[in-house]
Amino acid sequence: DAGVIQSPRHEVTEMGQEVTLRCKPISGHDYLFWYRQTMMRGLELLIYFNNNVPIDDSGMPEDRFSAKMPNASFSTLKIQPSEPRDSAVYFCASSHSGTNTGELFFGEGSRLTVL
Amino acid sequence: SQQGEEDPQALSIQEGENATMNCSYKTSINNLQWYRQNSGRGLVHLILIRSNEREKHSGRLRVTLDTSKKSSSLLITASRAADTASYFCATGKGGAQKLVFGQGTRLTINP
Repeated sequence: DAGVIQSPRHEVTEMGQEVTLRCKPISGHDYLFWYRQTMMRGLELLIYFNNNVPIDDSGMPEDRFSAKMPNASFSTLKIQPSEPRDSAVYFCASSHSGTNTGELFFGEGSRLTVL
Repeated sequence: SQQGEEDPQALSIQEGENATMNCSYKTSINNLQWYRQNSGRGLVHLILIRSNEREKHSGRLRVTLDTSKKSSSLLITASRAADTASYFCATGKGGAQKLVFGQGTRLTINP
């Protein structure tokens, strides 16, 4: 079975540019999460969806960040405009409520560098 | 804000020795999970322990949970070089699937 698929794996961009990160969750999973990982702050939950509906976006840093989930098999995290402090590894994870365990399945991450 | 705090931040041991990592958390939980992250990779779920459980085993892994002290420990027995990774605890609360992760312990197994 395919796991959570993220693209791109690496992105280098200049300050002010728009960045779009993409995620395909595991088929059948009804929860999708976006996390950001940095050395200073560790793993931070940015936003999560249930059945394609955003449930909690309190972790989104500011209005420059937005996330969408147009259907059960696709989500995007957009940063516009990007800033050097946005440099981090962004992880997408999915889970299935039916397991009653809350176990998350992570993608390999998108490493973003903003120059 | 971080819920779990791992201790130590870094641990280096010889292959074959046991490795123990600790996690403390602040509020009530339904379950506590441990994840492993190899360098440059995503996190992988290792084991889950529920709030009404005190100890759980999975292969070379042993997890304990003390809800009165709001702490958990992860023991890896007979460590191998392949166990070199960062280990994170994560806490879940209520019916939500949302997990909050600690800062992690970086474990190095020396051959």
